[in-house]
This record gives sequence, C-alpha cells and structure tokens, in this order.
Amino acid sequence: GESVGLHLPTLSVQEGDNSIINCAYSNSASDYFIWYKQESGKGPQFIIDIRSNMDKRQGQRVTVLLNKTVKHLSLQIAATQPGDSAVYFCAENIFGEYGNKLVFGAGTILRVKS
Amino acid sequence: DTEVTQTPKHLVMGMTNKKSLKCEQHMGHRAMYWYKQKAKKPPELMFVYSYEKLSINESVPSRFSPECPNSSLLNLHLHALQPEDSALYLCASTEDRGRYGYTFGSGTRLTVV
Repeated sequence: GESVGLHLPTLSVQEGDNSIINCAYSNSASDYFIWYKQESGKGPQFIIDIRSNMDKRQGQRVTVLLNKTVKHLSLQIAATQPGDSAVYFCAENIFGEYGNKLVFGAGTILRVKS
Repeated sequence: DTEVTQTPKHLVMGMTNKKSLKCEQHMGHRAMYWYKQKAKKPPELMFVYSYEKLSINESVPSRFSPECPNSSLLNLHLHALQPEDSALYLCASTEDRGRYGYTFGSGTRLTVV
C-alpha cells in the first residue's frame, strides 16, 4: 500500500551512539529494498540496499536487516554523526504487470545531538 | 556520468501558465520516473516510462503531461496547475527492472501562485 499522511516520527540520538530506524513494507512480492537519506532541499540519496533472498547486509557504518516474515526492515547506523541528520526512507521495488516501481515508506527524521 | 540532472531547480508559476520540467540521464537506464513530494511526506509515484513508453500512470490529473522524447530525456509539462500542486518534483531512473538501484535527481521545487 502507499504511505499514510501522518507526521514523520523523529529519532533523536546523541553523537557517537548507534541509531536504529525501522520500516514496515506492504507487498509480500517485493524483491528488493533500498534505504535512502534525504537532506533538506535535495533528492533522495542511496544508502544501502538488500535483496529478498538476504536477511542482513552491511556497508560502511550502516547495516540493513530484513525480516520477510513480518515484512519489516531496519537500518542501523553505527557511531552516528551530526552529518547523519536527515530524513530516512525505506523503499520497496515492486515489479508488476506494467513494469517496476519504487514505493516509499513514511520516513523517519533522524536528529543527532552534539 | 552517474547522475540524473533536473532543470530548473526552482520554478514559480501562475495558475494560467504553461511550463515544463526537464530530466536527463546518460547512464543508459531504460526506465524513468516522475515523483511528487510534499513537505514532510515520502515521494509519491506519478509516472513510469519504460523503453520510452508510458507504462504506469498513477491516476495523475491531466494538467500534468509527461513526455519521453528519447531514452535520455524525460519531460513533465504543466498547465493550469493549482496551488496544492506546489511540491518538490523528483525524477529517477533505473535499468529496466530496478534491481540495481534507482538514481534520483535533486528535484525541481515548484510553487504555484
């Protein structure tokens, strides 16, 4: 389904702490998932992705976990820095009869306190 | 070149104006997308072009008219917009199945007055 128009949840963390951002997705047939970071006035910036045949994938300071049983994704950011402050969106790639599309989750605001 | 370029970055238009948003990529991607994003909301899909043909229209009002002149260019023609159409319009591209990531442009900030 599409995102619901609610206020974005906010996660506030202290600089240096680890952050965990959660996301629920809607389509059991989704085969590919992406986390994006979006700063004010900019387009979404790719962070990390994961395919449906994996449970975990690690990047530099970031880890994505996928739980297909409950249709849940999480993004873990290690040693959070002030530059990590942004809105974070998960997105699922849905391939249908007429082509593929990327559907975004509701988003989470991450605020890093120095 | 690994970018999606959108022009203009900012646009202010009256409700009777006609304007166009442009998007360009040279990554050889064969699927291109238009998204609309309101403040503090996720991007919402408007249109999908696959191999220069319109494949998905998410019930977008006819005052928005997409066009894909070739595999590198995507336009969004605007006519008789309403103030509530003010938003960030994002373009994205991917190889045809989206399984190797989507690249987004920086968007056009549109204000309708």
